[in-house]
Amino acid sequence: NAGVMQNPRHLVRRRGQEARLRCSPMKGHSHVYWYRQLPEEGLKFMVYLQKENIIDESGMPKERFSAEFPKEGPSILRIQQVVRGDSAAYFCASSPNGMLYNEQFFGPGTRLTVL
Amino acid sequence: DQQVKQNSPSLSVQEGRISILNCDYTNSMFDYFLWYKKYPAEGPTFLISISSIKDKNEDGRFTVFLNKSAKHLSLHIVPSQPGDSAVYFCAASEGSNDYKLSFGAGTTVTVRA
Repeated sequence: NAGVMQNPRHLVRRRGQEARLRCSPMKGHSHVYWYRQLPEEGLKFMVYLQKENIIDESGMPKERFSAEFPKEGPSILRIQQVVRGDSAAYFCASSPNGMLYNEQFFGPGTRLTVL
Repeated sequence: DQQVKQNSPSLSVQEGRISILNCDYTNSMFDYFLWYKKYPAEGPTFLISISSIKDKNEDGRFTVFLNKSAKHLSLHIVPSQPGDSAVYFCAASEGSNDYKLSFGAGTTVTVRA
């Protein structure tokens, strides 16, 4: 039973390029959450998605960041025109529904480095 | 604005002894608290949780204590084992139904043989 998969595990981009981070939830999970961990800080909630719907994007920066979770395929976190401050570890989590007591299962993360 | 704070970035403990990890929070609306454990190159995994209606929850070697008036919780690991060496994150949410977790910066625990 595969866990949450994220790819790539490491991504290097130059300033101004686009970054695409992918997350495949655990089998049977239809709820996906993205978190960002800046250096020396804890994980911070970015966005919560269900299939084809954004439920809560209150933690997403207003510009350059977008997320989707299509009917087929993985969830994508997209960062346009990356800047050095976007360098961080991005974690995806999934759950079978939106109730916390079911726990969020985290993927291994994508470490983004912006040169 | 860090609403969950883990002020000790690291902790070193002898195998067999107790590890005590501390966590403070500022948001009085938090009423559900979790601890996650993270190994290098892996994502955080859920360890133990506690609701604000309790002041203690135990699961094997792991016990979480909550002092709501002090806005403080702690994780006790007894006895500590080498496999416990990891980063431990404290997290909180407003209600057990709230998916929006707020995390501390983590404490790196090293268990010495």
